[in-house]
Amino acid sequence: NAGVMQNPRHLVRRRGQEARLRCSPMKGHSHVYWYRQLPEEGLKFMVYLQKENIIDESGMPKERFSAEFPKEGPSILRIQQVVRGDSAAYFCASSRDSGYQETQYFGPGTRLLVL
Amino acid sequence: AQSVAQPEDQVNVAEGNPLTVKCTYSVSGNPYLFWYVQYPNRGLQFLLKYITGDNLVKGSYGFEAEFNKSQTSFHLKKPSALVSDSALYFCAVRPPGNNRLAFGKGNQVVVIP
Repeated sequence: NAGVMQNPRHLVRRRGQEARLRCSPMKGHSHVYWYRQLPEEGLKFMVYLQKENIIDESGMPKERFSAEFPKEGPSILRIQQVVRGDSAAYFCASSRDSGYQETQYFGPGTRLLVL
Repeated sequence: AQSVAQPEDQVNVAEGNPLTVKCTYSVSGNPYLFWYVQYPNRGLQFLLKYITGDNLVKGSYGFEAEFNKSQTSFHLKKPSALVSDSALYFCAVRPPGNNRLAFGKGNQVVVIP
């Protein structure tokens, strides 16, 4: 049973470019969460999505960041006009259900470096 | 707002000795508590969780954790550490009515051969 898949694993962008990060949840999971890990820090929640719906985006920066989870295909985290401060590891997690006891399973992450 | 504290930056332990990684939390209501482990350049792997019931929770790779409501703690323990346990350990809390996880800053565990 494949785990959470993320690609690319590493992404290098120059300031002002766009970054697209993809996440495929575990089989049978329809809930996706994105977290960001800055150097020497823990993970910070960004957004929670279900298929075709954004449930909680309270952790997303107001500008340049967006996320989607279409009916078909992976969840996408999009960062427009990247800046150096966006350099971080971005982790996706998925869960089977929305129950509060549900475990979130994490992917390997995408490490974004902005030059 | 919820918060998680992992007070020690690094935990050093000799192989074969007991390992303890400390975690305290602050949240309204009864929390759900989780431990994850992260190896270099990898994602987080789930170790165990406390939802309700027995305060002592057993998880993967011989790890266990004890929920202490009066001390608002959820310390991770392993009776006999292995060199392969060297990694970054994160405690996380999910407050009631909330789907997001709030993470501590993590503890680096170094098991010395």
